Amino acid sequence: QVQLVQSGAEVKKPGASVKVSCKASGYTFTSYGISWVRQAPGQGLEWMGWISPYNGNTNYAQKLQGRVTMTTDTSTSTAYMELRSLRSDDTAVYYCARTQAAFDSWGQGTLVTVSS
Amino acid sequence: QSVLTQPPSVSGAPGQRVTISCTGSSSNIGAGNDVHWYQQLPGTAPKLLIYGNSNRPSGVPDRFSGSKSGTSASLAITGLQAEDEADYYCQSYDSSLSGSRVFGTGTKVTVL
Repeated sequence: QVQLVQSGAEVKKPGASVKVSCKASGYTFTSYGISWVRQAPGQGLEWMGWISPYNGNTNYAQKLQGRVTMTTDTSTSTAYMELRSLRSDDTAVYYCARTQAAFDSWGQGTLVTVSS
Repeated sequence: QSVLTQPPSVSGAPGQRVTISCTGSSSNIGAGNDVHWYQQLPGTAPKLLIYGNSNRPSGVPDRFSGSKSGTSASLAITGLQAEDEADYYCQSYDSSLSGSRVFGTGTKVTVL
């Protein structure tokens, strides 16, 4: 069965960077995109961007351009999302999701807390 | 801020039918882009409920149905059950935002 397993919770100081991983199994990794979605406490879902593990193409949300980088390692079927220059309003649960048209399978989420 | 607008909350008694609207514009739903719906139970990751406007993934009960018309879409839940109490989000693609996927504002469904 399709599984996306994310790395554990992180606590970071303002201005730092965080890198979250998402290990996929149960399907051909290069056949589907991976999107990243975040959810601030008590808030709705926010799409952050998408990467194609097949060719590395990316598409980032405009508000995060310049601060986010998404990569994949096809040898381990793992996707990564790095967010730099962290601010307090980046505190959120970060999800990876397998993407074709819809987001059809989701990781369990990774809580990133930004606090001084 | 979200470009797809949903009512903050809807409620209904067990067995009733409730609908959730998702209102967009000519750059997203009105441009012919598909709408997908997700259910998020408390403390869990979202789950795909409806894809391609009206299709249910395997395992999703047929109590859930989706439709789309013009610049809006709707999710209907018939025979409401206690386990349907959750947050629901619509999602589409917006061609005015450099190919961004966009989510709705989210709707909390309460079973009375």
